Amino acid sequence: GAVVSQHPSWVICKSGTSVKIECRSLDFQATTMFWYRQFPKQSLMLMATSNEGSKATYEQGVEKDKFLINHASLTLSTLTVTSAHPEDSSFYICSASTGVGANVLTFGAGSRLTVL
Amino acid sequence: AQKVTQAQTEISVVEKEDVTLDCVYETRDTTYYLFWYKQPPSGELVFLIRRNSFDEQNEISGRYSWNFQKSTSSFNFTITASQVVDSAVYFCALIGTASKLTFGTGTRLQVTL
Repeated sequence: GAVVSQHPSWVICKSGTSVKIECRSLDFQATTMFWYRQFPKQSLMLMATSNEGSKATYEQGVEKDKFLINHASLTLSTLTVTSAHPEDSSFYICSASTGVGANVLTFGAGSRLTVL
Repeated sequence: AQKVTQAQTEISVVEKEDVTLDCVYETRDTTYYLFWYKQPPSGELVFLIRRNSFDEQNEISGRYSWNFQKSTSSFNFTITASQVVDSAVYFCALIGTASKLTFGTGTRLQVTL
C-alpha cells in the first residue's frame, strides 16, 4: 500500500533556529499533501494544503511566513518552521493524496518538535 | 462548514468488554467520506475504515464494526471483546467536496486487565 515517510521523527532545537521537516511519498506520486499540527491531547488541525508546483494554501490563523511549505516534486513536501519558539513545540503530521477523487489520505508517522 | 463531534473524551473499559465510540458529523455536502483512525501512543495515525455517504451498509472487520446512519448523521465504531492493545486515541474524520479532512476531537480509550 501507499507509504508516506516523514523525517525527522523527532527534533529538539534552540529558540530562534529554523527546522525543516520532510514528507515523502515512497511508492506513489502525491499531487497534494497536507500538513497538520497536533498539540498534546488535542485533535489534528489542518495547517496548510500543499500542491506540487504551486504555492501552499494556508488555513486561517496559520502564519505562512512562519511555516514555510515547499512542494517541489510529486514525492516531496517540506515544512520549515522558521525562527522557532517554544510555543511552536508540537507534533506535526503530513498526509498525501494521489489526487482528485482519491479521498484516501496516507499519513506519515509524524514529527515531534521541541523548541527549548 | 463541516464539523465532527466525538462527545466521549475518555473511555475506560476492562479487557473483553465491548465498547462503542460515538461520532456525529455535520456537513452540507451530499457527497462525503467518513473515516476512523487509530492513534496509538507512538503517534502515527492508523487508517481503520473509509465509508462514502452513499453506502450505509454497516461493516464488520474482525472485532471492529461500524454503524453508519445518515438519518442521525452518526458513524459509530464498536470494538467487541476489547484488548489492551486497543488502547489508543480514536479519531473520526470527514472529508467533503472541499477535499479537506476534518477531524473530531478524539476519544481516548483505555483498556485495562
